[in-house]
Amino acid sequence: EDQVTQSPEALRLQEGESSSLNCSYTVSGLRGLFWYRQDPGKGPEFLFTLYSAGEEKEKERLKATLTKKESFLHITAPKPEDSATYLCAPAQGGKLIFGQGTELSVKP
Amino acid sequence: NAGVTQTPKFQVLKTGQSMTLQCAQDMNHNSMYWYRQDPGMGLRLIYYSASEGTTDKGEVPNGYNVSRLNKREFSLRLESAAPSQTSVYFCASSDGVFSNQPQHFGDGTRLSIL
Repeated sequence: EDQVTQSPEALRLQEGESSSLNCSYTVSGLRGLFWYRQDPGKGPEFLFTLYSAGEEKEKERLKATLTKKESFLHITAPKPEDSATYLCAPAQGGKLIFGQGTELSVKP
Repeated sequence: NAGVTQTPKFQVLKTGQSMTLQCAQDMNHNSMYWYRQDPGMGLRLIYYSASEGTTDKGEVPNGYNVSRLNKREFSLRLESAAPSQTSVYFCASSDGVFSNQPQHFGDGTRLSIL
């Protein structure tokens, strides 16, 4: 059965305290993995697509990496505006399978 | 740019009532999707439309119907609402189901069924 697990469920950081979010997956026929950011009351906002193991993508303080079974979202020196829920979604046959998300809170 | 627009933003229904959620995109995308999001669970696909004129069931289609009205618009209908359908509903669009291009989401419809 296809499964996506994100950990931790919630993460509280101080401003400037770097950390990583994990997305573990068992999906057959993986055709890429997507990361999204979701702010309260809003829809998910696209961040990255990773297509193959070893690939890395960066955007400002965020860096996403991919292995055959996991993806990590590294946050370097986060700021309060990085507070949001981060969703990962492996793609199978064109359809996305979403994890439950990691709720990140960054305090000044 | 509007992107994906959903209406209404909020709705309260009584059990057994019907309603249609509307979604429109202005990105000339071929594929459109309806998801529901419940606390502690990931987004779950209800129905999708790979291209104009086609629709297919997703993971949780029971109790819903959809219509791909044209390339821009994709509606979701609840024929007889049930409390279990209380959720936040998101519409999304992408270049194509099998194109591996990202899906772009609207800001959701928050639906409560009493």
